[in-house]
Amino acid sequence: GAGVSQSPRYKVAKRGQDVALRCDPISGHVSLFWYQQALGQGPEFLTYFQNEAQLDKSGLPSDRFFAERPEGSVSTLKIQRTQQEDSAVYLCASSLTGFAGELFFGEGSRLTVL
Amino acid sequence: AQSVAQPEDQVNVAEGNPLTVKCTYSVSGNPYLFWYVQYPNRGLQFLLKYITGDNLVKGSYGFEAEFNKSQTSFHLKKPSALVSDSALYFCAVRDRGGGTASKLTFGTGTRLQVTL
Repeated sequence: GAGVSQSPRYKVAKRGQDVALRCDPISGHVSLFWYQQALGQGPEFLTYFQNEAQLDKSGLPSDRFFAERPEGSVSTLKIQRTQQEDSAVYLCASSLTGFAGELFFGEGSRLTVL
Repeated sequence: AQSVAQPEDQVNVAEGNPLTVKCTYSVSGNPYLFWYVQYPNRGLQFLLKYITGDNLVKGSYGFEAEFNKSQTSFHLKKPSALVSDSALYFCAVRDRGGGTASKLTFGTGTRLQVTL
């Protein structure tokens, strides 16, 4: 497809379950970002990849959060032992360059932890 | 650390009137500045950006924004609002430095409501 694709769009998990969220960026985009958007808030940075290298993971809230992009294309955000405070929309964005280029966002994965 | 402030949670304007959505920023160096729009249950869509050069930048759907370095502001404007402009608007900043500064920091958003 022409845009950033995220799956699943909606995920309901019981507290303590592990979840995996997938992001398929625009083909050829070098940079990939994950953001977390809580209800009524702006997106909060989680992590950044340039190709397969994770250059910044300073926004990951705990060691339960893990992201990978092994071949420099598709990325997966994994949350282990989910907690209620993890409920949010997880946005993936890609960019042709890492600095001046605009980000292209997917529609997000809405995670609800019961 | 870089940050963005959007002082208004909501802006109300009548269709046909000009609109302004305010944004101020803080970075240690020089900024790249962006505006994004978010419609319900949709991802963020890019509107416009300031990189360098002319302080007045024009973007999609008739929107424009003015970079003011002395006031560290980047207000979004449109001469004549449409009901279809009603959405959530986010201002974002990125420091021109490399490394961890490559991340984009967003404001908390301003809801624009345009009425007939």
